[in-house]
Amino acid sequence: GQNIDQPTEMTATEGAIVQINCTYQTSGFNGLFWYQQHAGEAPTFLSYNVLDGLEEKGRFSSFLSRSKGYSYLLLKELQMKDSASYLCAAMDSNYQLIWGAGTKLIIKP
Amino acid sequence: GAVVSQHPSRVICKSGTSVKIECRSLDFQATTMFWYRQFPKQSLMLMATSNEGSKATYEQGVEKDKFLINHASLTLSTLTVTSAHPEDSSFYICSARDFSAGGDTGELFFGEGSRLTVL
Repeated sequence: GQNIDQPTEMTATEGAIVQINCTYQTSGFNGLFWYQQHAGEAPTFLSYNVLDGLEEKGRFSSFLSRSKGYSYLLLKELQMKDSASYLCAAMDSNYQLIWGAGTKLIIKP
Repeated sequence: GAVVSQHPSRVICKSGTSVKIECRSLDFQATTMFWYRQFPKQSLMLMATSNEGSKATYEQGVEKDKFLINHASLTLSTLTVTSAHPEDSSFYICSARDFSAGGDTGELFFGEGSRLTVL
C-alpha cells in the first residue's frame, strides 16, 4: 500500500535549526512536496523535489533520496511565525498526491 | 504564483440544508481541481477530483450523491454538501494545478478553505 510517515510533533527554539523527516512508500514516484499549514488556514507550497539531493530556498531546504524513500525539510534561523504544521506529500505514478498526517512544529522563545 | 479563490470562507447551516462552496482559478485555466476535507489535527483527505466538462472522480468512501461536484467551466468548480449533518462539519479545501505555459511543476495551488459548521 501507499504510505507517508512523518513525526506528529516537534519542538524547537527560536533561532535554532530543525529537521523534519518524511519517509514514503508509493506506487511509482513523481516527486515529493512539502507544504506549510498554519492553524485554520489552507496549506502553502514550500518545495518540490524529484531528483536526489538538496534544494535550498532561503531559510528552508528540502532533501530527497529516492533510493531510500526519504526526504527532510530543514528550517534554519527559526522564527516564531514558523510555528505551523508541515505536510509531506508524495506524488505517485498516477500523479495523485499521497499526504502525510503532518508534523506540528512548536517554536519556543 | 497562480491564485485559487474559495468562497465562502465560513458557513454555518442547519442540519438538513444544503451548502454550496465555490472554487475559482483566478489567473489560469484549471481543467482539473481537487476537493479535500480536513478534520482537526488531521491531514488533508482527498474527496474527489473534479474534471471540467465531465463527471467527478470520487475517492473510496465518499458519497457522490451527498457531495455533488460540478466543474462547469475552466475556472470554476463547486462542491455542494447536500442534506448536511453535524458530522459533515469540517474544513473543505479546493486546489488546482496550473498547466499553462507548458510547465507543470506539480505544485498545487490551494483555495483559502471553507469551514463548515452544521448545527
